[in-house]
Amino acid sequence: GAVVSQHPSWVICKSGTSVKIECRSLDFQATTMFWYRQFPKQSLMLMATSNEGSKATYEQGVEKDKFLINHASLTLSTLTVTSAHPEDSSFYICSAPPGLAGGRMYTDTQYFGPGTRLTVL
Amino acid sequence: AQTVTQSQPEMSVQEAETVTLSCTYDTSESDYYLFWYKQPPSRQMILVIRQEAYKQQNATENRFSVNFQKAAKSFSLKISDSQLGDAAMYFCAYRRRVLFNKFYFGSGTKLNVKP
Repeated sequence: GAVVSQHPSWVICKSGTSVKIECRSLDFQATTMFWYRQFPKQSLMLMATSNEGSKATYEQGVEKDKFLINHASLTLSTLTVTSAHPEDSSFYICSAPPGLAGGRMYTDTQYFGPGTRLTVL
Repeated sequence: AQTVTQSQPEMSVQEAETVTLSCTYDTSESDYYLFWYKQPPSRQMILVIRQEAYKQQNATENRFSVNFQKAAKSFSLKISDSQLGDAAMYFCAYRRRVLFNKFYFGSGTKLNVKP
């Protein structure tokens, strides 16, 4: 089945540094990917929608300059947390709908990555 | 705006027994999907079951079944013959039946399974 990977799975960084998280679709092309943030024991909150070839769409309250998203290709989206601070420590998850794959249009399916745990010291 | 509400933060069930997790949602759309996702300690999101809003028949997947009440905007998950491996966070989710559309998640229910 379709797989979405994330790298790294866990990252620790110092306050003030930037961290890049990658989300890759391994066996399908993803023109759209979604980035979620999950605090401990809480739900997933959508941060932004990543679109290949165009600017990302951010949810209300999410700082665009803080969380930079680049959808570099049909299989890769990156989330860069700039000037990270301890309050940015969280679990970040991406998801991707396969869209058109194998001649079929998938409107009902999305695949989640395994997540990235970010700890900012 | 779409909202998804799970009113049970935590539930417990005895192994081999049946448990029902509740979910309500609010939307003005008529064509959408509803989902139950399981998130074990690994935090990988695992699809448990999916319901298309246009289908009246409740979805079932082995030990998992739903009670979908469209008019009441209710979508509960029943787990039969509970197993220790069912212990996890369960999230109810809504998504419009549109290509490349985002999920709206409920706050989650932590399910404990007692041996």
